[in-house]
Amino acid sequence: DQQVKQNSPSLSVQEGRISILNCDYTNSMFDYFLWYKKYPAEGPTFLISISSIKDKNEDGRFTVFLNKSAKHLSLHIVPSQPGDSAVYFCAALRNDYKLSFGAGTTVTVRA
Amino acid sequence: ETGVTQSPTHLIKTRGQQVTLRCSSQSGHNTVSWYQQALGQGPQFIFQYYREEENGRGNFPPRFSGLQFPNYSSELNVNALELDDSALYLCASSLGTSGILDTQYFGPGTRLTVL
Repeated sequence: DQQVKQNSPSLSVQEGRISILNCDYTNSMFDYFLWYKKYPAEGPTFLISISSIKDKNEDGRFTVFLNKSAKHLSLHIVPSQPGDSAVYFCAALRNDYKLSFGAGTTVTVRA
Repeated sequence: ETGVTQSPTHLIKTRGQQVTLRCSSQSGHNTVSWYQQALGQGPQFIFQYYREEENGRGNFPPRFSGLQFPNYSSELNVNALELDDSALYLCASSLGTSGILDTQYFGPGTRLTVL
């Protein structure tokens, strides 16, 4: 049962432009959402999070938007840099501490 | 560098065998979680340990079991291996107060191949 979905398996963007990654979820009991970034041969690293009581959280070049009514969140990266090329996972957390992950979106930033 | 290490890096087993994967958490992290990541999918939650006791489990059969030790190390054991167990196994540690809203730090994973 895939409760967190990332429908775009890949995204290619030019350096300096905006990257927008999307994520949808089905379980209204999720109360915390996170984005993780993963390079090859490394584990996922935490990038940014948002509580369900907020609709936006910003950290430098990274901004996460949450639309609870649509059960949708997005990650904006601006400007995109070559080091941003990685797999990005959307994850959601309930109060029972189980992280549910999406399948990931591979971002390629072109020079 | 998350401070979480896993061993071995790669492992090949045959169907029916048993395997033990190891994880060393960051010092002071009382919670460790294990995830299975099949090819092309996101990590799937297996179980979580807090202060050496299991305090949550995902949809995995009992042949997946674990242990957590006082020295911040932990093990994932899988009995009666099946072909579908081939995956990347990730452990993640966090400070723990049951891990709620607690950033999890992942190790690099162990790639298990079952033939």
